[in-house]
Amino acid sequence: GESVGLHLPTLSVQEGDNSIINCAYSNSASDYFIWYKQESGKGPQFIIDIRSNMDKRQGQRVTVLLNKTVKHLSLQIAATQPGDSAVYFCAENIGSTLGRLYFGRGTQLTVWP
Amino acid sequence: DAGVIQSPRHEVTEMGQEVTLRCKPISGHNSLFWYRQTMMRGLELLIYFNNNVPIDDSGMPEDRFSAKMPNASFSTLKIQPSEPRDSAVYFCASTKETTNQPQHFGDGTRLSIL
Repeated sequence: GESVGLHLPTLSVQEGDNSIINCAYSNSASDYFIWYKQESGKGPQFIIDIRSNMDKRQGQRVTVLLNKTVKHLSLQIAATQPGDSAVYFCAENIGSTLGRLYFGRGTQLTVWP
Repeated sequence: DAGVIQSPRHEVTEMGQEVTLRCKPISGHNSLFWYRQTMMRGLELLIYFNNNVPIDDSGMPEDRFSAKMPNASFSTLKIQPSEPRDSAVYFCASTKETTNQPQHFGDGTRLSIL
């Protein structure tokens, strides 16, 4: 998982730049990964997912990369916009058929105009 | 389509009072999860249900917390008696009982215990 300190990792980017948010996981049995976006006052919102038999998946302006060798997951946001400012969480499913997820602590993304 | 619906959105009450949080999962979803989110501890899983049956309640802090799912479209999380340290945002999420499906979250209940 991500850092377990009291403070969220932060990332500040200029509008229009690309953003990369990273996540490390520890369980080699994890077979499904999800990125969520959480805006202030709202619940986590699904962005994109990836299965362990893939190493890359693209959505609209977002790309998720999975490196199983080093147990690393990243979320790339192209042409970051002020509306992308939020906390981003990675989550992993450890082979459960019941949908249980394990969440990281999150990264605060701030986009400056 | 309606998402996960939680009520109330905000709750302020005095310590010692009973608090009941409610959740309506997405229709057709048969796994339901209750989470608590604080700055100190992040997003913690409290309990989850599958087909209305509690599967894992190991995240429930103590006996003051209880959760029920009387049917596929409704769940409650109850705290009795409440304490100031229970103040947090409580989220409900649901998903289909198949592998590799994302959970969908409600907008949470912000609970303040005075």
